[in-house]
Amino acid sequence: QQKVQQSPESLIVPEGGMASLNCTSSDRNVDYFWWYRQHSGKSPKMLMSIFSNGEKEEGRFTVHLNKASLHTSLHIRDSQPSDSALYLCAASKSQGGRALIFGTGTTVSVSP
Amino acid sequence: GGIITQTPKFLIGQEGQKLTLKCQQNFNHDTMYWYRQDSGKGLRLIYYSITENDLQKGDLSEGYDASREKKSSFSLTVTSAQKNEMAVFLCASRSPGGQNTLYFGAGTRLSVL
Repeated sequence: QQKVQQSPESLIVPEGGMASLNCTSSDRNVDYFWWYRQHSGKSPKMLMSIFSNGEKEEGRFTVHLNKASLHTSLHIRDSQPSDSALYLCAASKSQGGRALIFGTGTTVSVSP
Repeated sequence: GGIITQTPKFLIGQEGQKLTLKCQQNFNHDTMYWYRQDSGKGLRLIYYSITENDLQKGDLSEGYDASREKKSSFSLTVTSAQKNEMAVFLCASRSPGGQNTLYFGAGTRLSVL
């Protein structure tokens, strides 16, 4: 049973457009979230983390977290071809949790 | 900066064979992980270890064994390779505090004939 669900499965975004990705945990014990990005043929690299309710922005990337619904979203504005990748959401328990569970991923393709 | 080295990069096995994958890190991180990734999909947790000689099962541990004899190394054994199995096995270590970032190795690509 997958504890971290991501949607959509894939997304095509025009260059310069906005990409919005979603992630929800079905386990109420899991409420620390990360977003990782994996380019084709490479290993995942951490993009952003969010542990508290609210919003966090880093450059063109914004993440939101709603702990009540255990939902996080990642928004990429002014999308570039280099943003084309598999985006993975990961979650763990906030207190002492070491097991990091990943979702099934969203494949983003940015079309020039 | 540190690095995570996985060996071998490619592993071809026969059905029923026992296969071992190795991972070394020089970050001096306590916690290490093994994940399996199929066809560019999400990562599934096989085993993790929070310190030397500790082993914790993930959701996908059946069919695998793991070993953490030293802080810097974490190995994974496929106990009986399944015919036509193809996957990438990713090892990672976790930075303490701060953002608790996972750093990944380049992966071992397994094919079973």
